[in-house]
Amino acid sequence: GAVVSQHPSRVICKSGTSVKIECRSLDFQATTMFWYRQFPKQSLMLMATSNEGSKATYEQGVEKDKFLINHASLTLSTLTVTSAHPEDSSFYICSARPPSGSRYEQYFGPGTRLTVT
Amino acid sequence: AQRVTQPEKLLSVFKGAPVELKCNYSYSGSPELFWYVQYSRQRLQLLLRHISRESIKGFTADLNKGETSFHLKKPFAQEEDSAMYYCALYNTDKLIFGTGTRLQVFP
Repeated sequence: GAVVSQHPSRVICKSGTSVKIECRSLDFQATTMFWYRQFPKQSLMLMATSNEGSKATYEQGVEKDKFLINHASLTLSTLTVTSAHPEDSSFYICSARPPSGSRYEQYFGPGTRLTVT
Repeated sequence: AQRVTQPEKLLSVFKGAPVELKCNYSYSGSPELFWYVQYSRQRLQLLLRHISRESIKGFTADLNKGETSFHLKKPFAQEEDSAMYYCALYNTDKLIFGTGTRLQVFP
């Protein structure tokens, strides 16, 4: 089956620093990847859609300069949280869509828990 | 605006009891709806989609356009069904998720 990994699984960083989260599709090429954010006991909120070789499309209210997304290859997308603040602490989940799948088909990574101190 | 509502944060039942997890949606047009499940310490995965009208692990969900609902049902709950369940609506290349319902099935 399609597997998506994320690294790291959890990270703690100091306020003002930047942190990078990787999302990889392990056994398929994903032209489209998605980044979600999940607050405790709340839903997954789509942050941005990442397309290989082009700029990411951000959802309304998501700061593109703060959450930098790079989709440089068909198997890797990265999310960099720049100048992190405690309010950025959250669970970040990525998903990837296989090119041969249905338009709604997404495989999810295990998530990365970010804690900003 | 497109929205998915899951009114129950927690649903607790005993093994063998029927289960219904509620989902209501707001969408202008023909919706494409899904149920996702997240078992403890596992990633989110697709459980079923309305368009296929399938039964997965004994669960079914029927789209009711009149009531704008897509409730998830199972006649006899099992302990292994304990998990977090999310209803989702597909719209313009995006999935819009509800807030989720935690199902606890007691022995």
